[in-house]
Amino acid sequence: ETGVTQSPTHLIKTRGQQVTLRCSSQSGHNTVSWYQQALGQGPQFIFQYYREEENGRGNFPPRFSGLQFPNYSSELNVNALELDDSALYLCASSLDRRGETQYFGPGTRLLVL
Amino acid sequence: EDKVVQSPLSLVVHEGDTVTLNCSYEVTNFRSLLWYKQEKKAPTFLFMLTSSGIEKKSGRLSSILDKKELFSILNITATQTGDSAVYLCALGTGTASKLTFGTGTRLQVTL
Repeated sequence: ETGVTQSPTHLIKTRGQQVTLRCSSQSGHNTVSWYQQALGQGPQFIFQYYREEENGRGNFPPRFSGLQFPNYSSELNVNALELDDSALYLCASSLDRRGETQYFGPGTRLLVL
Repeated sequence: EDKVVQSPLSLVVHEGDTVTLNCSYEVTNFRSLLWYKQEKKAPTFLFMLTSSGIEKKSGRLSSILDKKELFSILNITATQTGDSAVYLCALGTGTASKLTFGTGTRLQVTL
């Protein structure tokens, strides 16, 4: 176990709704990255937060947004949900923003109907 | 654009066999190559490789990187049913520790 926790484990939403996913990073880690993993695909980088600031973003629209708190926990918010947003959302923490070894949480499985 | 290609996409072997999983890549700003094992949800870290030709080993698993030919392999010897999983290869690139993943190789080990 990595010490990275995520909540909730599963979630069902309908199109157009908004969702907030949460992540607590491993103790001592100040960097959190979020990934989206569609069925049968590898995880895709959404964005990274380092010391409460966004530190890099992948190819995702602005309706995907995030926050990092002073204790380094993080939230991923998705507005105006679409069917294609159905996926496993993974959070990973690392020692700092240059720490390539990222430790993943168990993920939140989101289903959009 | 950075790219990671894994092969084969899936593999079925018998317990005790040795397997080799392949990862080739294209990258503009290489920092590292990582291997993860994903059984149900959380990918678990296996290896991080930064230098060519240096084998990393952990029990029955080993991995090596060739930065000239732009590929890495993951070897698993004496496979066990517990090795059944998706194995993901990822590139660490740029100044942020963004990881670019391949689609993975699904390994099934049968009795």
